[in-house]
Amino acid sequence: GQSLEQPSEVTAVEGAIVQINCTYQTSGFYGLSWYQQHDGGAPTFLSYNALDGLEETGRFSSFLSRSDSYGYLLLQELQMKDSASYFCAVRDGSGTDKLIFGTGTRLQVFP
Amino acid sequence: SQTIHQWPATLVQPVGSPLSLECTVEGTSNPNLYWYRQAAGRGLQLLFYSVGIGQISSEVPQNLSASRPQDRQFILSSKKLLLSDSGFYLCAWSVRGTVRELFFGEGSRLTVL
Repeated sequence: GQSLEQPSEVTAVEGAIVQINCTYQTSGFYGLSWYQQHDGGAPTFLSYNALDGLEETGRFSSFLSRSDSYGYLLLQELQMKDSASYFCAVRDGSGTDKLIFGTGTRLQVFP
Repeated sequence: SQTIHQWPATLVQPVGSPLSLECTVEGTSNPNLYWYRQAAGRGLQLLFYSVGIGQISSEVPQNLSASRPQDRQFILSSKKLLLSDSGFYLCAWSVRGTVRELFFGEGSRLTVL
């Protein structure tokens, strides 16, 4: 089976940088995805890492280390609107098109 | 462009009543379709997954069922709701053969009383 672990909550102030970690266990690895979900809303895709290294998309970056079964989402120049839950996700290890989500990290940005 | 619609957005149902949530996708063909459930303040639990018409994979044994009568239509049902069925239900689709990105519907918030 698969399991993904994330911190339950992270707090930061506007303008700061925050890192949300994700460790995973899966029998077969096909890439690590990140999603953002505002309260009451649907998750939206942020980024995807299939290979080791850093992927940058504007203020958000995502990192992957396959040897460590670890990844993180880096949010820079935090804004109040970044307050949301963030989920990492991996494809089912058996190779099917199923996506398994982590427990989620609630980010609260304070002024 | 592709769109996904899910309804109803909100519903309150008594214990023991039936349930039907519907999801349709437009602008794409042969999508993977998914039903997830999210309890308040919790993660997303995969309930059902489908790669084609009539092909449903059940991930969690429970009193819910899913059907895919058409390529871009996915229905979540129950004959008798339980209190524990309360939650936020999310339909999603992805391009066949990849789960790099899932596209979610707006969600259906179910309260069972």
